Parts: sequence; structure tokens; C-alpha cells
Amino acid sequence: AQSVTQLDSQVPVFEEAPVELRCNYSSSVSVYLFWYVQYPNQGLQLLLKYLSGSTLVESINGFEAEFNKSQTSFHLRKPSVHISDTAEYFCAVSGPLSGNTGKLIFGQGTTLQVKP
Amino acid sequence: KAGVTQTPRYLIKTRGQQVTLSCSPISGHRSVSWYQQTPGQGLQFLFEYFSETQRNKGNFPGRFSGRQFSNSRSEMNVSTLELGDSALYLCASSSASGANVLTFGAGSRLTVL
Repeated sequence: AQSVTQLDSQVPVFEEAPVELRCNYSSSVSVYLFWYVQYPNQGLQLLLKYLSGSTLVESINGFEAEFNKSQTSFHLRKPSVHISDTAEYFCAVSGPLSGNTGKLIFGQGTTLQVKP
Repeated sequence: KAGVTQTPRYLIKTRGQQVTLSCSPISGHRSVSWYQQTPGQGLQFLFEYFSETQRNKGNFPGRFSGRQFSNSRSEMNVSTLELGDSALYLCASSSASGANVLTFGAGSRLTVL
């Protein structure tokens, strides 16, 4: 069975500082990996995804994540955060063997608090 | 291109009542999935519909049900509401081709009193 562990429930950081949100997954098969962001009173927005190919994936707003198969990790990083990055971030996993279904397994979420 | 639309956005019910939530997927998306989000349990998969058929189901009691119409719109129903059903219910759609990249709606926040 697949599972996702987000190692930090809250990450406080000052504006313009770098940040890393950690995500480890457990799966015996190949996986697809995702990071979603949720702002207050909103749904989830896809931040970035790893499906195949390059292990380093980037988003349009400066976030990046690296798929590390040997360490079964998919940590999210940003070199310089802004106040507007304050939100909850969810790591999720699914597998190609699940038959292209809409079932994602989510981590418990990490609240990123950016302080001025 | 319109996103995933969920209605209603907020609703309050009392224990024992039932509720129906609606989801309109992105045009052309044939798969609709439902998730429950609570502070204690996080995001949990309820079920997925594709071409009017349920093709995957999470670990929820039979009080939770859903359906999908020929235009891919979906509804979920919760009968005999319990206090613990208070949650944000999220709907997501995908084209169901290739990887399962989901686009989520803003959610329906249900409060059970």
C-alpha cells in the first residue's frame, strides 16, 4: 500500500529566506508524485508534479521539487519565500498501476508560515 | 476554460438529515473524484466516477454515496448525518488519460449540528 509522510506539520520562516518542506513516500511500485497548495477557504491547487523523466521539477512561481527514488523522497524547496507563500502544502502520491484513477494518497500537510 | 465548480459552498445541517453536494467538472474531463478534508484525518479519498460508473472507492461507510451523470457532472450524498461528517468536501476532475493529474474545486463546507 502507498503512504505519504510529511515530516513537518508547521514550518515558520522569515520572508526572503529559503525553505524546504519534506515529503517521504512508501510504495512498492513506480509512482507519480504531486505537491498541492491550499490557501485559506480554497480548494487545492496543483503546484508541481513528477510523472517521469527529469527528477527535478519546477513550478512557475519559484518552487522546485526533486524526486529521489533511493530515498523515496520528494522534498519541496524555494530559495526565497514571500509573504504570499503562506499556505498549507500537501504532498501526494499515486501509481500508474492504479489504472489512471483519481485516487491520490495525501500527506497530512505542512503549514508554511512566512513572517515579515 | 471554467474550472471545477462545486455547489453549495457552505451549508449547515443537523444530525440525522441528509445532504447532496454537486460538482461540475472541467469541460471534457470524464473523471470526477471526491475527497473529505478534516483537521483530524486530513484528506481522504471517498470515491471516483468515470463514464457514470464508480471505479474506485475509499474506506467510508455506505452512508456516503455518489453518482455521475452523462454530462460528467457528479453528486455525492451523505445520509443520516453525524457530527463527524462536518468537513470540507472537495471534488476533483481529470481527463483520465495518462497520469491522474487532478484539478480541484473550491469545496463544499458542511457543518453538522
